[in-house]
Amino acid sequence: DTGVSQDPRHKITKRGQNVTFRCDPISEHNRLYWYRQTLGQGPEFLTYFQNEAQLEKSRLLSDRFSAERPKGSFSTLEIQRTEQGDSAMYLCASSFGVVQYFGAGTRLSVL
Amino acid sequence: AQSVSQHNHHVILSEAASLELGCNYSYGGTVNLFWYVQYPGQHLQLLLKYFSGDPLVKGIKGFEAEFIKSKFSFNLRKPSVQWSDTAEYFCAVRDGNKLVFGAGTILRVKS
Repeated sequence: DTGVSQDPRHKITKRGQNVTFRCDPISEHNRLYWYRQTLGQGPEFLTYFQNEAQLEKSRLLSDRFSAERPKGSFSTLEIQRTEQGDSAMYLCASSFGVVQYFGAGTRLSVL
Repeated sequence: AQSVSQHNHHVILSEAASLELGCNYSYGGTVNLFWYVQYPGQHLQLLLKYFSGDPLVKGIKGFEAEFIKSKFSFNLRKPSVQWSDTAEYFCAVRDGNKLVFGAGTILRVKS
């Protein structure tokens, strides 16, 4: 399968812990996006990379959130000092043009 | 900033019934519009997209959508649904680098 890959698929953590998610985009895609989806809502944009440069961040991305794409390939999203409100599905997407292709997501549960 | 409104959160249909899911976006100009589908347990997949040209767009699996600029609408249609169309459907509009999604419509098709 050469689609967008996300790891882990599920993460359960205790409040206050740090978590890190990984996204591997489709290999020829230079653009990478992170979204968050909560129950009953559509995905909400978090951040956007073109190659290794982080070009846009949503106001949803608080100081506890950081994303990187060090070599312009895979990306990581870290959440520090997790809160119960961080419980959500975290989606990664990639694109070469306008059409974005999504991974299966990482479901985070903060206890 | 763009916003997207999907009119129905839950729709239940019998097989062979016709489907129309409403989608409105907030403001005009040049728009790129998308419908994505999420089957149970799977990732978001692109059904169809509109960039320009013929306002009637055909997608995969017999779906189509009509772009009506004067109504800021991009409604999804299918003449005859199947049990396998049971899924959640998301309308999205491109806003700069990101996609803005509606809240989604859960479609259940009864066999």
